[in-house]
Formats: sequence, C-alpha cells, structure tokens
Amino acid sequence: DAGVIQSPRHEVTEMGQEVTLRCKPISGHNSLFWYRQTMMRGLELLIYFNNNVPIDDSGMPEDRFSAKMPNASFSTLKIQPSEPRDSAVYFCASSLSDGSWTLHFGNGTRLTVT
Amino acid sequence: DQQVKQNSPSLSVQEGRISILNCDYTNSMFDYFLWYKKYPAEGPTFLISISSIKDKNEDGRFTVFLNKSAKHLSLHIVPSQPGDSAVYFCAAIRGNKLVFGAGTILRVKS
Repeated sequence: DAGVIQSPRHEVTEMGQEVTLRCKPISGHNSLFWYRQTMMRGLELLIYFNNNVPIDDSGMPEDRFSAKMPNASFSTLKIQPSEPRDSAVYFCASSLSDGSWTLHFGNGTRLTVT
Repeated sequence: DQQVKQNSPSLSVQEGRISILNCDYTNSMFDYFLWYKKYPAEGPTFLISISSIKDKNEDGRFTVFLNKSAKHLSLHIVPSQPGDSAVYFCAAIRGNKLVFGAGTILRVKS
C-alpha cells in the first residue's frame, strides 16, 4: 500500500497566484481530511469529506480556500488568490469510518507564498 | 480557541529515562483521545489512543494516562530511545471532529 500521496511536496508561488494541492487517499478509505500546520496554531482541520461529500468545512479560513473530492481516489485544495499568510504545510489524511479515528497522513505539501 | 493544549513546546530527555508529554483539554465532551508522532518531512503517524471510559492504555513502551476530572492526559515513554525524537501531537475527538494540539518536540539524547 502506497499510503496517502500528496503533490507537490513543495510549492513556492507569488502572492495573488492560484495554488492547487492534490491528494490521493488510501484505496478503500472513505474519509478524507485536509489539515494545515503552522508554528502558531499547530495542526488545524480545514475540511473533511465522508464518501466524497464535504461534511464539515468550518475550518476553511475564508472564501479564498476551496476543496473538492470528485471521486473516492482524488481530492484538491485550492487557494485563489494566495497570500503570504497562507504559507504553511498542508496535510491530507484518510481513514476508514470505523470509529477508530486512525488517520493516515500524507507527507504534506510545504507552501511558500512570497 | 485552543481546545487541546500542549503547553510544553519542547522536552529533552536522556536515553533510557522516562519521557512524559502532557496535554490539557477544555471541552468535557471529548470522548476519545489519541497521540500522533511526527518526524521531519513526514506526516503524523498514529501512536496510541484512549477512550474516555478508561484511565490508562498501554502499548509496549508507550502508556497514555487520562485524568478526566483534571481534563489532562499524558503520554509516558519508557525507556526513551533516540528514535523517539519527534514531534508528538495530542488529539481529541468530539462528534466528527479530530482536534489537535500544537505539538511538543521531544529530543532524546544518547
């Protein structure tokens, strides 16, 4: 099993540009999560999907952020337009909805907005 | 609104000794708690969990203790090994939401 795959690993972009982060969850997992890690706030939940449907997006900072899950094997997190304060490591995680809450995280995308 | 707090940003321990990582929470509705470990340039990995109906759970060198009256949990690692050096995140579940603390950096010196 390849685990959760995120791309790109690193993204450097200029303020105002659109950024798209990608995630492929573990096959068979039906829950998918997007987290953001910063020094100040640690790991923050942005949004999570269950069976491809967004369940809770209350953590999405503002309208500049959007996430989609068009099918069970792919999700995107888009920031448009990006700002320097969006610089962080973004993690995608997947899990089974079996009550264990054992999330499997990808290796993250380090985003730098200059 | 930090519902899960890890007040020690870092901890340094000698190899072979006990490491104790602490976590406090504010919401009494949390019913399940987990610890995750994270190495640099990798995602967090699940380490150990505990239900709110228990006060202790042990898995090898790792033991998690839960004190519900104090809204406090701790992770004990004994004996500590250099490979345990990582960031440790405490997490709690309420409903369908998994909330993480800010993390504690553990350094185990050989």
